[in-house]
Amino acid sequence: DAKTTQPTSMDCAEGRAANLPCNHSTISGNEYVYWYRQIHSQGPQYIIHGLKNNETNEMASLIITEDRKSSTLILPHATLRDTAVYYCIDGAGANNLFFGTGTRLTVIP
Amino acid sequence: DAGITQSPRHKVTETGTPVTLRCHQTENHRYMYWYRQDPGHGLRLIHYSYGVKDTDKGEVSDGYSVSRSKTEDFLLTLESATSSQTSVYFCAISERAQGLENTIYFGEGSWLTVV
Repeated sequence: DAKTTQPTSMDCAEGRAANLPCNHSTISGNEYVYWYRQIHSQGPQYIIHGLKNNETNEMASLIITEDRKSSTLILPHATLRDTAVYYCIDGAGANNLFFGTGTRLTVIP
Repeated sequence: DAGITQSPRHKVTETGTPVTLRCHQTENHRYMYWYRQDPGHGLRLIHYSYGVKDTDKGEVSDGYSVSRSKTEDFLLTLESATSSQTSVYFCAISERAQGLENTIYFGEGSWLTVV
């Protein structure tokens, strides 16, 4: 079962930052937080992951709270192509990823 | 994008027939996975492989078998397809780094309809 909690849906205006929250209060000290997204009819796409420190790559930034019980994925300038379901996952060290229902992000023109 | 190719991408088959889905990777990753995705259930792990000829069951393995004779290929077989196996099947690969760091990359999916 998914061990993370995310809002069911969010809207974001095109060009603005999209901030997607995730609670992972049961995460253990050595488990990573992963973010994926899935655009309709495509395979899940890896976005970013982190352990303790904030991370940034060409797609997004990941902000992890000091207690590691929550994180926020930031898409700095959302485009229409960022409309997707975003999944926050804790603990991919086991041979599995538990995808919950994710957050359906809709970027509005 | 990760070098993962799934075939066939779409297939319609009759109940009771055998079906094999193929996953081919060009990344030389050690781990390979088969997931299925259904409305209301999200992604669920069927089987995974941690090396050539080394495989293990996931949470929904009943009715499925797998084989991995080469690093680059991971086959998923439905010995006798049933309507409940109508689904989208995703192959995935990963190469574990230190500790619990394990970034998994997915293919584009195979749509299977069992009639």
